[in-house]
Amino acid sequence: NAGVTQTPKFQVLKTGQSMTLQCAQDMNHEYMSWYRQDPGMGLRLIHYSVGAGITDQGEVPNGYNVSRSTTEDFPLRLLSAAPSQTSVYFCASSGGTYNEQFFGPGTRLTVL
Amino acid sequence: SQQGEEDPQALSIQEGENATMNCSYKTSINNLQWYRQNSGRGLVHLILIRSNEREKHSGRLRVTLDTSKKSSSLLITASRAADTASYFCATDTGANNLFFGTGTRLTVIP
Repeated sequence: NAGVTQTPKFQVLKTGQSMTLQCAQDMNHEYMSWYRQDPGMGLRLIHYSVGAGITDQGEVPNGYNVSRSTTEDFPLRLLSAAPSQTSVYFCASSGGTYNEQFFGPGTRLTVL
Repeated sequence: SQQGEEDPQALSIQEGENATMNCSYKTSINNLQWYRQNSGRGLVHLILIRSNEREKHSGRLRVTLDTSKKSSSLLITASRAADTASYFCATDTGANNLFFGTGTRLTVIP
């Protein structure tokens, strides 16, 4: 099992550009989520999904879109990048009874 | 915010010593989880304690939970240099999401 994979590992964008961060899991987990991690802020939930075709907003959803067309994939789209979106982004999945989450390695995004 | 708060923010100890970090939270929970994050990497799940449990062990890890005080502690015994990492608590309130604290940065000096 590859677990949770994320691409790319690093990305630099200019303000106003759009891009998609990819996330995939091969554990057949129903629950997937996206977090951003900023220094001193811990992890903040952006969007999450409890199954294919179902998504919902987390704590900091503005400026981001998600979709969940398959169980395996949960891409995160930045519509018009802003410097405030400079962060490290983590995707996670969960399929256990107690919601233990498995994290991907992260994408480090810089917006100039 | 339902986010937990870890204390201390940073901790530096000698190898072989025990490390204790604390987590406080605000709302009722189904369970509380601890994660470790090595520098530049994703989080790794360490241990979970359910709301009806008071103490749990896993190898050198010991977690306690006091729901009346809305607090938990993580004890790492006989620390090793490889334990150097950031440690996060996360609360599961039953709303499908985990709420993470801001973390304790542990440095174990060889």
